[in-house]
Amino acid sequence: QQPVQSPQAVILREGEDAVINCSSSKALYSVHWYRQKHGEAPVFLMILLKGGEQKGHEKISASFNEKKQQSSLYLTASQLSYSGTYFCGTASYNFNKFYFGSGTKLNVKP
Amino acid sequence: GAVVSQHPSWVICKSGTSVKIECRSLDFQATTMFWYRQFPKQSLMLMATSNEGSKATYEQGVEKDKFLINHASLTLSTLTVTSAHPEDSSFYICSAPGQGYNEQFFGPGTRLTVL
Repeated sequence: QQPVQSPQAVILREGEDAVINCSSSKALYSVHWYRQKHGEAPVFLMILLKGGEQKGHEKISASFNEKKQQSSLYLTASQLSYSGTYFCGTASYNFNKFYFGSGTKLNVKP
Repeated sequence: GAVVSQHPSWVICKSGTSVKIECRSLDFQATTMFWYRQFPKQSLMLMATSNEGSKATYEQGVEKDKFLINHASLTLSTLTVTSAHPEDSSFYICSAPGQGYNEQFFGPGTRLTVL
């Protein structure tokens, strides 16, 4: 039931772009994106509630393809602070369960 | 934003002892809370869904008698790891959905080390 993310890890130079994908074998009712720094709790980035929805904040954006049961997170002009592990998350239709994706470790170097 | 606290932040215990972890929603009521476990370099794995006033719902493979969950009030859920063993050493995190279930608020996590 855990969504699968790709790639598992990515190394970027500051200013480069990255795309992280999240795929589910089950229907997606919503997709959440989080970033986690080592030893800390995840930090909420954004949620996509509707198929076809796209959303962004500053240089991080995401899209949700409900039919393909996929979501993608786009990081543009990456900054050192973007380093961390990114997780997508999916909730059941009544939000009584929430599953995190397998994670993508992003390392942004100067 | 809503705040969720966890206590303790870390705990070291001897094998065979029990450890209780508290998760509190400080400025909102949480009828549902989630408990996760995260091993190093792995994702957060849902252990159970805690529901105020009723029994928790455990994920497949999670031992109900070993990981006791109590959600006695709208602001407090507790996870007790009974007869802890070294393989239970992990990072335990709780979370609670916000109003409208559009966001989850996470506690800071509890690092458990069983010697």
